Amino acid sequence: AQKVTQAQTEISVVEKEDVTLDCVYETRDTTYYLFWYKQPPSGELVFLIRRNSFDEQNEISGRYSWNFQKSTSSFNFTITASQVVDSAVYFCARPQAQTGANNLFFGTGTRLTVIP
Amino acid sequence: DVKVTQSSRYLVKRTGEKVFLECVQDMDHENMFWYRQDPGLGLRLIYFSYDVKMKEKGDIPEGYSVSREKKERFSLILESASTNQTSMYLCASSFERVMYDEQFFGPGTRLTVL
Repeated sequence: AQKVTQAQTEISVVEKEDVTLDCVYETRDTTYYLFWYKQPPSGELVFLIRRNSFDEQNEISGRYSWNFQKSTSSFNFTITASQVVDSAVYFCARPQAQTGANNLFFGTGTRLTVIP
Repeated sequence: DVKVTQSSRYLVKRTGEKVFLECVQDMDHENMFWYRQDPGLGLRLIYFSYDVKMKEKGDIPEGYSVSREKKERFSLILESASTNQTSMYLCASSFERVMYDEQFFGPGTRLTVL
């Protein structure tokens, strides 16, 4: 499998601080996709974003932003002005195959704790 | 909204028991997946299915089997549960057989094998 690596196991920040979650991926493909999911304490993973390899523009959605850099094989996720509700485990993922069902390879996750 | 439901949130079984974990999705999705989640290891794919009666092995299929008799339902079977199968099990589904399609997850089943 072409892997994704999340080197940060756990991060703690104080509310309103900015925080960046790192994701480094492996690829031999010219076309690929990357995903971020959030797993709150309830347990259900929630899709956050999908990016394709042709679009290196940074994406911003409210307090969330994503920095995709092919030169460093990274797809980092930044939360601005963090809130307690952001406390969760965040996973970076990529499809294992070019075709067929989109079975994902997940990173090991980063547990973010936002302290009030 | 897509809904993926799993039959139990918590399950306790004994070593050697046959265990069925059920997953149902209500949005006519083609693909269904079973993952297990363990601390420090993230999510690992056990099996997936892209059609009724079709199944494909994932990264860690040993000790598991699956069944997909109807499009909306995907069952994970532990033929003879062992303690090393104590884990969180997550079911997911997606609409199309393309690599860019997002997956929708159920709430998970935390299985303890004693």
